[in-house]
Amino acid sequence: GNSVTQMEGPVTLSEEAFLTINCTYTATGYPSLFWYVQYPGEGLQLLLKATKADDKGSNKGFEATYRKETTSFHLEKGSVQVSDSAVYFCALSAVGSGGSNYKLTFGKGTLLTVNP
Amino acid sequence: DTEVTQTPKHLVMGMTNKKSLKCEQHMGHRAMYWYKQKAKKPPELMFVYSYEKLSINESVPSRFSPECPNSSLLNLHLHALQPEDSALYLCASSPTGVENSPLHFGNGTRLTVT
Repeated sequence: GNSVTQMEGPVTLSEEAFLTINCTYTATGYPSLFWYVQYPGEGLQLLLKATKADDKGSNKGFEATYRKETTSFHLEKGSVQVSDSAVYFCALSAVGSGGSNYKLTFGKGTLLTVNP
Repeated sequence: DTEVTQTPKHLVMGMTNKKSLKCEQHMGHRAMYWYKQKAKKPPELMFVYSYEKLSINESVPSRFSPECPNSSLLNLHLHALQPEDSALYLCASSPTGVENSPLHFGNGTRLTVT
């Protein structure tokens, strides 16, 4: 079946530090890959996405590249801010077993805390 | 502002109560989802509706009953819940459900069962 493995953290950084959150996946076929962010007390927001190998998703200074050869989709940001403190979920979308509906498979989430 | 609206934001109910969670979207999406999220865990899929028909039920107990009255609305009827059902319930939508599009999530209903 499909699965996503991401570093669980928590990750604590100082403002302006470099961020990497590792994510690897297992999937059949050609999944799309996503990073979602969840701020305290809120739902999930799409941060960025990539739909095929070598695609780079980017948004708000965050980037991730779809690496098929290493089955990875690591999230990076060059200089984090206090406002980036949140939980980050790596996810893949692929057809579920026995059906035509696409299903999201989430990693366990990584709590990021950025201190001033 | 989220484009998927969930009401209420908070709900406290007893184990003998009947209540409903509501979700609304006006993006023209034809697939809608219910997820359950426990603290410090990723969301877990409960139900998927595609074109107002239930297409996925992830073996959810019958005390949770989904309903999709039209393409913009999704309800989750709750009856005889247990304290372990306390969680954040998230609604989401996507264009059709049979494509690799990202989901749009609401901010959730925080449910406490006493």
